[in-house]
Amino acid sequence: GDSVTQKQGQVTLSEDDFLFINCTYSTTTYPTLFWYVQYPGQGPQLLLKVTTANNKGISRGFEATYDKGTTSFHLQKASVQESDSAVYFCALSRNMGYKLTFGTGTSLLVDP
Amino acid sequence: NAGVIQTPRHKVTGKGQEATLWCEPISGHSAVFWYRQTIVQGLEFLTYFRNQAPIDDSGMPKERFSAQMPNQSHSTLKIQSTQPQDSAVYLCASSSDWGYSAETLYFGSGTRLTVL
Repeated sequence: GDSVTQKQGQVTLSEDDFLFINCTYSTTTYPTLFWYVQYPGQGPQLLLKVTTANNKGISRGFEATYDKGTTSFHLQKASVQESDSAVYFCALSRNMGYKLTFGTGTSLLVDP
Repeated sequence: NAGVIQTPRHKVTGKGQEATLWCEPISGHSAVFWYRQTIVQGLEFLTYFRNQAPIDDSGMPKERFSAQMPNQSHSTLKIQSTQPQDSAVYLCASSSDWGYSAETLYFGSGTRLTVL
């Protein structure tokens, strides 16, 4: 079945530091890949979506890049702020209308 | 647009009691998904409906858990004879079939179920 692996369980940074979170996946086809962000007391919300057509997505200062060769998908931001503290999940969808398979999440704490 | 609405936000049940969780998807969305979130297991897929029809319930525990979608405006997840290991945040999400938003899941804030 489909699987998504996030090895970084927790990341602690200072404001203006560079953020890099990596994710690897396994599936039988070329999936659409997502980064979701979850704040305390809320459900996950979409941060970025990247398809095989474009390989890269940018939103709110975050950039996600999709590498089909290494089946990896990473999230980066040049300069994090305290307000970016949250849990970040990568996820894949095998095809339109299919369920999302999520990674275990990376908890980001940004010290002011 | 109020987003996906889940009620109640918190529910406490005694062991062996029944719990029913409610979800109102975003108007016009054709698919509804249920996930369970715990610290240990993370986000686990339970089941989903498309145009009210059950499509995939591969994540549902075979006993005690059931889900229905009687009309396009709400879905329910029912847990019979609740057990302490059922304690989790249950998340409902909906998605559209059309345009850029297709495949994107929009989540509610969840129902935190605590089984004593």
